[in-house]
Amino acid sequence: DAKTTQPTSMDCAEGRAANLPCNHSTISGNEYVYWYRQIHSQGPQYIIHGLKNNETNEMASLIITEDRKSSTLILPHATLRDTAVYYCIVSLYGAQKLVFGQGTRLTINP
Amino acid sequence: DGGITQSPKYLFRKEGQNVTLSCEQNLNHDAMYWYRQDPGQGLRLIYYSQIVNDFQKGDIAEGYSVSREKKESFPLTVTSAQKNPTAFYLCASSTKRTGIRGGQPQHFGDGTRLSIL
Repeated sequence: DAKTTQPTSMDCAEGRAANLPCNHSTISGNEYVYWYRQIHSQGPQYIIHGLKNNETNEMASLIITEDRKSSTLILPHATLRDTAVYYCIVSLYGAQKLVFGQGTRLTINP
Repeated sequence: DGGITQSPKYLFRKEGQNVTLSCEQNLNHDAMYWYRQDPGQGLRLIYYSQIVNDFQKGDIAEGYSVSREKKESFPLTVTSAQKNPTAFYLCASSTKRTGIRGGQPQHFGDGTRLSIL
C-alpha cells in the first residue's frame, strides 16, 4: 500500500472551512484514498473515500488532484465537535488491511 | 441500530493471564478485523477474517489468537505470550459487496482499553 504524508497538527476557527492535505505520491492506479477521523478514546469514524473523482457527502468533500499524488479533505463549516485526529489512508480496492499512520491532529478553536 | 459492539470498555489483566475481548456486529458484514493502538500512534492490524471459520494474521499477530465461528462474532484472545499487551484494541467490520463505488470502508467499534495490573 502507498505511504501517505500528513501535517502533524492544524488549527482552524469554528465556522470556517478546514482543509486537510495529504500527499500520496506513490499511489497506484487501483488504490483508493480513504479518510477517517478519531475523536479521543473512540473508534475511528469513516468520513469519505474516492478513486480519482472529487467526492462529497454529508460530512465532507474530498478533492483528489488530477495526477492523484495528493488530496485534500474539506470540512466546510467546522465545529468544535470536529476536533479529532484525521487519517488519510491509501488502500487497494477491497483490500483487507488499512494502514493507519499518525494522522493530523485538527483543533477547532472557538 | 446496526453497529459494532466491543466489550468490555476497560479490562485489566494480571501477569501470565489470558483475556478475551469481545466483538459483535449486526451489520451483516462478511469481514472483521482487530487492530491495536498505542498512545499517540496509528492503528496496527492484528488479525482479520473474511469469512466464517477462516482468518489471517496481520502485522502484529504474535501473542494473540482469534476465532470466527459465527459471522457476527470475532473474539480476540490476548495470551500470556504477548509481552506488552497494554493498549487500546479496536474491532472493525466491512462488507465484501463491491457496489458502484467499490472500496467499501471499514466501520469501527468504540474499543477496549486493556491494562496490566
